[in-house]
Amino acid sequence: SQQGEEDPQALSIQEGENATMNCSYKTSINNLQWYRQNSGRGLVHLILIRSNEREKHSGRLRVTLDTSKKSSSLLITASRAADTASYFCATGTPGTSGSARQLTFGSGTQLTVLP
Amino acid sequence: DAGITQSPRHKVTETGTPVTLRCHQTENHRYMYWYRQDPGHGLRLIHYSYGVKDTDKGEVSDGYSVSRSKTEDFLLTLESATSSQTSVYFCAIRGQGMEGDTQYFGPGTRLTVL
Repeated sequence: SQQGEEDPQALSIQEGENATMNCSYKTSINNLQWYRQNSGRGLVHLILIRSNEREKHSGRLRVTLDTSKKSSSLLITASRAADTASYFCATGTPGTSGSARQLTFGSGTQLTVLP
Repeated sequence: DAGITQSPRHKVTETGTPVTLRCHQTENHRYMYWYRQDPGHGLRLIHYSYGVKDTDKGEVSDGYSVSRSKTEDFLLTLESATSSQTSVYFCAIRGQGMEGDTQYFGPGTRLTVL
């Protein structure tokens, strides 16, 4: 079962615009992470936000977390053609089997940035 | 790709044949994971390992087995491949220390079962 669900499934914007992707989840979490996947490649970690944090920044990325609504958003500012990729949220949950710290991934948002 | 390699990168096989995928890491990480990625499903955990000879099942483990005889290698085996196992398979390692909640992924293996 999927813990995180991204919205929208696909997003197309012009270069220079901001892109916002949302993630909703169902159960309590320790942290929420965002990953990027370029076509034909593995996932690359972008940013992690812990359950006691509300907002985090990294370069052009801004992540917010609302644990009361069980939702997160990823904002990419001043987008570039190179930002074209799929973006996945992943949740780390407490009490997951032993200390394996499993992550549960959503189905992703496909972002296309048009030059 | 954080020192993670996967082999083969592409494989086409026939239903009923055994297939083994290899994940190799060079950074002595304890935790390793195998995922499959299918359209509309994101990544789903198949099996994971928390040390040499220590493995456990994930969400979609049926039809798969794993082995880890040394720290650097984590093998995923499909004993008798089926068409439903056509997928892209990713190996991942768990970061260490302050990055212990983050996973780092290999480049993937595209498997087609005819």
